[in-house]
Order: sequence, then C-alpha cells, then structure tokens
Amino acid sequence: GENVEQHPSTLSVQEGDSAVIKCTYSDSASNYFPWYKQELGKGPQLIIDIRSNVGEKKDQRIAVTLNKTAKHFSLHITETQPEDSAVYFCAANGQGGKLIFGQGTELSVKP
Amino acid sequence: DGGITQSPKYLFRKEGQNVTLSCEQNLNHDAMYWYRQDPGQGLRLIYYSQIVNDFQKGDIAEGYSVSREKKESFPLTVTSAQKNPTAFYLCASRLAGGETQYFGPGTRLLVL
Repeated sequence: GENVEQHPSTLSVQEGDSAVIKCTYSDSASNYFPWYKQELGKGPQLIIDIRSNVGEKKDQRIAVTLNKTAKHFSLHITETQPEDSAVYFCAANGQGGKLIFGQGTELSVKP
Repeated sequence: DGGITQSPKYLFRKEGQNVTLSCEQNLNHDAMYWYRQDPGQGLRLIYYSQIVNDFQKGDIAEGYSVSREKKESFPLTVTSAQKNPTAFYLCASRLAGGETQYFGPGTRLLVL
C-alpha cells in the first residue's frame, strides 16, 4: 500500500546549525511532495513543495531535494533559528487526491 | 479573509454523546478532508469529499460520519460508537486540479 517513512522522529540542533529531515515513499506514481510545519496547537502550514519534474527547490533558508530513482526526498533548513522549532511533516500524493503523510519530525533549535 | 475555519477550538464530549465539528472554507475549493492527530503521531485520514454530495471513507472512518451538502462546508460527527475520540481534529481543503491541501486551525476534542 501507499506509505511514507520519515526520519528522524526527533532532531535537536544548535541555533545556526543545519537540520535535515528525510522521507521515503513507496508509490512510484507519486509526483508531488509537500512539506508542512506544525506549531503546537495549530494546523499544519505548507512551507515548501516539489514536483517530480525537478530535483531541487529552494526558498531562502529552506530547500527540498528529490531522488525519484531511490524514492527519497529531504528537507534542508540552514541557519536554524529558535522559531524553526516545530513538528515537520513530509507527504506524497496518492490515489484519489489523497496525501500520504510521514509520522513527523519534532525539531528543537536550542539558542 | 479567505481561509479555512474550524469550530469550536475545544469541544467536550460526554459518554454516549454524538458531537459535530464544523469546517468551513471560502477558498472555493472542491475537495475537503478530515484528519485525526493523536499526541506525537502523524495525520490519519478519516473521510474525504471531492465534490458536493459525495464522500469516501479514509483509513479510520469507523465511529465517524460526514455530510457534504454545500461546497464550503464539511461537518464531521463523532458518534458514540467512537470509543476513543480524544484527539486533535484537522480539516483541510484542496482546489480541483491541484495537489496542495490547506489546513484549518484544528479542533481539540476531549472526553469528560
């Protein structure tokens, strides 16, 4: 079945360091990969997405890379700040307009 | 303001009681979704609807019901058959032809 694995489940970094979160998807038909940031008690917010026709996309301190052959995609956050602390979810599109979500990564940025 | 609204923010349910969570969007989106989130867990799909008057079960539909009588509204009822309803409930919507889902602020359901 459709599945997305996300690692690590928790990640702690020092302010200014980089953070990397990795996801693997199972459905070779998936062609859309969004990343969401969820702050405590709030709904997830889209921060960046990538489609399968590109290998990398960058938006200021955030970048996402995609390896279609290996079915891997990753989120890279550079120069982390305390306000980056949140839970991050990756997802891949599935059948019927659904998104298949990873289990989430709790990122903690220590000042 | 355009967006997705969910109400109430907190909801308390007594044993044996049905409760209804509201989700409204003014984005003119066609598809709407309900997810359940348990502490430290990912998002699990309860129900989704791609057009008015039509909806499909997700992965954990048992104990829940929905309706889609209007494009902008997709209420979720948590029935007494749902034995463990305490969770954070998230509604999302998507424009037809697009893939991005946009989320509301969520409703936290607690059992008294």
